Order: sequence, then C-alpha cells, then structure tokens
Amino acid sequence: SQKIEQNSEALNIQEGKTATLTCNYTNYSPAYLQWYRQDPGRGPVFLLLIRENEKEKRKERLKVTFDTTLKQSLFHITASQPADSATYLCALDTMSGNTPLVFGKGTRLSVIA
Amino acid sequence: GAGVSQSPSNKVTEKGKDVELRCDPISGHTALYWYRQSLGQGLEFLIYFQGNSAPDKSGLPSDRFSAERTGGSVSTLTIQRTQQEDSAVYLCASSLGDSGNTIYFGEGSWLTVV
Repeated sequence: SQKIEQNSEALNIQEGKTATLTCNYTNYSPAYLQWYRQDPGRGPVFLLLIRENEKEKRKERLKVTFDTTLKQSLFHITASQPADSATYLCALDTMSGNTPLVFGKGTRLSVIA
Repeated sequence: GAGVSQSPSNKVTEKGKDVELRCDPISGHTALYWYRQSLGQGLEFLIYFQGNSAPDKSGLPSDRFSAERTGGSVSTLTIQRTQQEDSAVYLCASSLGDSGNTIYFGEGSWLTVV
C-alpha cells in the first residue's frame, strides 16, 4: 500500500541547533515533494518544493533534500529559533494528472530557548 | 480575493443536522481541494476539483459527504445528518492546477457536532 510517513510526531530541540525532520514514502513515484508549515489553528503554509531531479533546495535557513533511491526527504532548519516552533508537513505530488497532494501526518517541532 | 476564503470559520451543530461549508478560492486557480483534519491528526484528502474534469471524490468518507463547485470557482462541501465523528477542521485549498504548483490553504472551517 502507499504510505507517507514522517518519522516522529514531536521533536524538541534547543535554540540555535539544527532541526532535521524526515519524510519517507513507499509505493509512490513523486515528481515533486513539498514541505508546509502549520501553526495551531491555522491552515498550512507552503515553504519549499523540490523536484525529483533535484538533490537539494535551500531557502534562507531552510534546506530540503530529496533522495528518490531511499524514498526520503530531509527538512533542515539551521540556527533554529523559538519562532520556528510549529508542525511541519511533507506532501507528495505524483504528477499523474488529477491526483491531489498527499500529506504526511506532520512533525510538531518545539524549539526551546 | 487575496487568499482562499472559507466560511463559516466556526460552526457548532447538533447531531443529525446538515451543514454546508463554503470555499472561495484564489481568483484564477483552476484546482480546488478539500481536506479534513481532526484534532492532532494529519490532513485527510476528501475531494479534488480540476477545471472541467470530473472531480476526484475518492476521499469522501461516506455518502453523507458531497461537494460541488459552481462556475469553476466557489465550492460548497455538504455534510448530511452530521455525526460526532465529523467534528474536525475542514480545510479548503486552491492552486493553478498544474502539478508542481504550490497549493494555498484557507484558515479552515471548525466544525463541532454536539
């Protein structure tokens, strides 16, 4: 069966450290993978998109990697700040026409000052 | 509008009543999605509209759920004979429709069935 898994429900990290979140998938062949941030009581907000032929994408303190052999994406936040505390969702886009994005359950990140 | 607009933002209804949730997508976006998120859970896909194609209804949990999109713009999600397990946030999103495009979410409609 098709699955998309984010390895931990919650992750606590000290301010200033690098947070690394994992997204694994099985039985999908995504053309794209996206990461979203969701704050409590709000809708998810897009952060980054990475294509299957890209190994790495960066945006400010954020970095995403995409390994189609391992079927895994890693999401890094460097120099983490308490304001980075939120739930982070990965989503697959299989680029097969009328297929919507499939989301993981998310990882709740808490950055402790 | 500037973003995806959903109404009502909060709805409390009695078990057995019907509810309608409305979504106004970003102007020009051909794709519209409905997701459901229960407390502390991930996003559960419900239904997807793309242009004039037949909607993908594969995520609707039962025949009490239906959705329509009129004129390729506004969408209404209807839940008939609501049950307590229907309590959740119903999130609408829209995108330009081509794969690889960002999808933009509304703030959700919080439904509580008592």
